[in-house]
Amino acid sequence: GQQLNQSPQSMFIQEGEDVSMNCTSSSIFNTWLWYKQDPGEGPVLLIALYKAGELTSNGRLTAQFGITRKDSFLNISASIPSDVGIYFCAGRGNSGGSNYKLTFGKGTLLTVNP
Amino acid sequence: GAVVSQHPSWVICKSGTSVKIECRSLDFQATTMFWYRQFPKQSLMLMATSNEGSKATYEQGVEKDKFLINHASLTLSTLTVTSAHPEDSSFYICSANPGTSGSLPYFGPGTRLTVL
Repeated sequence: GQQLNQSPQSMFIQEGEDVSMNCTSSSIFNTWLWYKQDPGEGPVLLIALYKAGELTSNGRLTAQFGITRKDSFLNISASIPSDVGIYFCAGRGNSGGSNYKLTFGKGTLLTVNP
Repeated sequence: GAVVSQHPSWVICKSGTSVKIECRSLDFQATTMFWYRQFPKQSLMLMATSNEGSKATYEQGVEKDKFLINHASLTLSTLTVTSAHPEDSSFYICSANPGTSGSLPYFGPGTRLTVL
């Protein structure tokens, strides 16, 4: 199936550092979502973006919906050990029967060294 | 908040047997549910879209006769892996969509399937 281009694939950082990851797509999406997945669990929604240019924060997390509607980034400030996990971007279009279908990026594995 | 459950959380079976995985929306009605498969260190890959009261829509490359989906009620969808083989071992995750305009899907905790 279709996937988004998500980078970086993995990151190793020190506690307290800021992190940035992004996703790009050849297709336009109407909604961009960012999820975190811990080992052996389902993904948990972090931030949802609904409009081009939208910048939204959730605690130490900030995400933006690109103006072209083909990209999005997620920033994590002042990282802590519990930020460890896999972060996925996901895009959702608005095409009839696929209205609710999500397309996922390949994920960014974040490791935070205390 | 909305909760989606999956049962079982993990299952081990012998090659050639069939395994049923349940996905339930606990506090909302889900007109649409999605089934994903996730191999180790990989992303979620959509297998099929399950619509209550109608046939599931399968993604390209997913065998509908091997992965049987039933969405008999607004709170329950089941995925049956028929004649499972070791290559079917994976993490299966469902999501449920409340169906209201613009609503986002809620994900279940996943089911780890190991086929011996």
